[in-house]
Amino acid sequence: EAGVAQSPRYKIIEKRQSVAFWCNPISGHATLYWYQQILGQGPKLLIQFQNNGVVDDSQLPKDRFSAERLKGVDSTLKIQPAKLEDSAVYLCASSLYGGFSTDTQYFGPGTRLTVL
Amino acid sequence: DQQVKQNSPSLSVQEGRISILNCDYTNSMFDYFLWYKKYPAEGPTFLISISSIKDKNEDGRFTVFLNKSAKHLSLHIVPSQPGDSAVYFCAASQGAQKLVFGQGTRLTINP
Repeated sequence: EAGVAQSPRYKIIEKRQSVAFWCNPISGHATLYWYQQILGQGPKLLIQFQNNGVVDDSQLPKDRFSAERLKGVDSTLKIQPAKLEDSAVYLCASSLYGGFSTDTQYFGPGTRLTVL
Repeated sequence: DQQVKQNSPSLSVQEGRISILNCDYTNSMFDYFLWYKKYPAEGPTFLISISSIKDKNEDGRFTVFLNKSAKHLSLHIVPSQPGDSAVYFCAASQGAQKLVFGQGTRLTINP
């Protein structure tokens, strides 16, 4: 079974530029998550989709971050414009159902973003 | 507000000995707890979990203990192997709400 795919793996941009990350979850998984992991910290949930609807985006900085999952499969996360403090690893995860705490989340390898 | 804390950034253990990783939480409403393991350049992978109705869960060399009165959980690895060298994150959730992760502990197993 293929895992969660993410691209690109690394990205370096200047502040105020835009960037987009792509995620393809495990086939058949209804729920998709985007996390931000700043160096020395644990992952922090940015947004959770169930199929193509948003379940939780309470920690997404909506003035600069946006995400979509149009057909309930793959997803993109965009930052526009980027700030220095956005330097982090952006992790995508998926789970089969998402409505239960016991539903295991499977993580992709992440995209390491450096904002200069 | 750090609801889940791992106070030890790193831990070094000799191969074959026991590794004990600790995690404290502040939210008494958390009812499900997990440990994830992360190798460099990879995403976290699920290791073991425990529900708040239990105080112990075992899976092979890995055992998680939960002390609800102290709001503390720990992960025991016995015996420790070189492949266990990784960053370990504890996480907690309340019902079906989002996972809250600790900062991680880097475990190094020395030959």
